[in-house]
Amino acid sequence: GIQVEQSPPDLILQEGANSTLRCNFSDSVNNLQWFHQNPWGQLINLFYIPSGTKQNGRLSATTVATERYSLLYISSSQTTDSGVYFCAVERRGSQGNLIFGKGTKLSVKP
Amino acid sequence: KAGVTQTPRYLIKTRGQQVTLSCSPISGHRSVSWYQQTPGQGLQFLFEYFSETQRNKGNFPGRFSGRQFSNSRSEMNVSTLELGDSALYLCASSLAGTGVRGQFFGPGTRLTVL
Repeated sequence: GIQVEQSPPDLILQEGANSTLRCNFSDSVNNLQWFHQNPWGQLINLFYIPSGTKQNGRLSATTVATERYSLLYISSSQTTDSGVYFCAVERRGSQGNLIFGKGTKLSVKP
Repeated sequence: KAGVTQTPRYLIKTRGQQVTLSCSPISGHRSVSWYQQTPGQGLQFLFEYFSETQRNKGNFPGRFSGRQFSNSRSEMNVSTLELGDSALYLCASSLAGTGVRGQFFGPGTRLTVL
């Protein structure tokens, strides 16, 4: 099956710093999403980005589908950005089945 | 629009019992997917329903089952609970599968099996 690898697994930043999270996937995918899991467990949608670049405030994402990777950029990080960031992909022919990476745990210190 | 809702939010059961979890999708969404999250295995896909039909199923034993109603609401059932079934169960809805704007998740049901 398709493999989804996220790096780094853990990241500690000072407030105000920038960071880049990476997601590699092993096969062609239909769709790719980035999520932030809050302390209560809910997965918050950040981006639906099967290809191209999107920006939403301090966050932006880029997916290069032909090279099978996606990047999530967080600029001017805040303590509220802390949590786990997940990348998830849907492989071709597998409707509604998101395959998740293990996540990047981000801690932003004041 | 209201988001995806799941009930109950917390549940404590004992081994051998069964449990039913409920998920109401975003209005207009016809696809509902279910996932299990544990510290050891991460987020794993259970099954997906669209128009009351199961289209995809993950690698879980037959004790895990689900269904979808005509109003797109979905339930999942776990019979003969085991300690290892303790997990956060998440459901997600989408218009017709992930292909259009992606999946949107509910707050989850945290199940503890004693």
